[in-house]
Amino acid sequence: DQQVKQNSPSLSVQEGRISILNCDYTNSMFDYFLWYKKYPAEGPTFLISISSIKDKNEDGRFTVFLNKSAKHLSLHIVPSQPGDSAVYFCAASLGNTPLVFGKGTRLSVIA
Amino acid sequence: NAGVTQTPKFRVLKTGQSMTLLCAQDMNHEYMYWYRQDPGMGLRLIHYSVGEGTTAKGEVPDGYNVSRLKKQNFLLGLESAAPSQTSVYFCASSYSPSEIRYFGPGTRLTVT
Repeated sequence: DQQVKQNSPSLSVQEGRISILNCDYTNSMFDYFLWYKKYPAEGPTFLISISSIKDKNEDGRFTVFLNKSAKHLSLHIVPSQPGDSAVYFCAASLGNTPLVFGKGTRLSVIA
Repeated sequence: NAGVTQTPKFRVLKTGQSMTLLCAQDMNHEYMYWYRQDPGMGLRLIHYSVGEGTTAKGEVPDGYNVSRLKKQNFLLGLESAAPSQTSVYFCASSYSPSEIRYFGPGTRLTVT
């Protein structure tokens, strides 16, 4: 049973517009959430994270929002650039147990 | 500082053959992980280690063995490869189990 779900396998956005990637989770005990970006033929790279005690974290063009009551987090990329085209994974952490990853969303930013 | 490195980058095996994938990190991290990535399946944890000499099973451990004899190295072994083990394998390391910041570049394995 999937604990972390990314229900959109793919997303296309025009360059300069906002990209919103969504992630839902089922375990309310998760206390830390992360987003990773992955280009083809490369390993995932850490992008941004958020603790469950916060509802927003910003880093440049990337903002992660956490809605604990809805068990939902989202990654906003503004403005989107062609170099943002990649697969994005969300992940959730519970204490000292390994991260649980979603299946990923492929973002295509069209020039 | 090389981060996380993986050897080899590519490999083709025949069914029944064995091989070992090597992961090395130079950041003195306690935690190391092996994941596999398959289309539409995301990253699935095979085995992990919380320190030198320790290993634990992840979500999909069957058909794999691991060893962590030295803190900087984490080996993933396939004793008798099967076509279902065709995948891209990623190693990762971290100072904390709640935040992995470093992944290796991946090993693409094909089993025919």
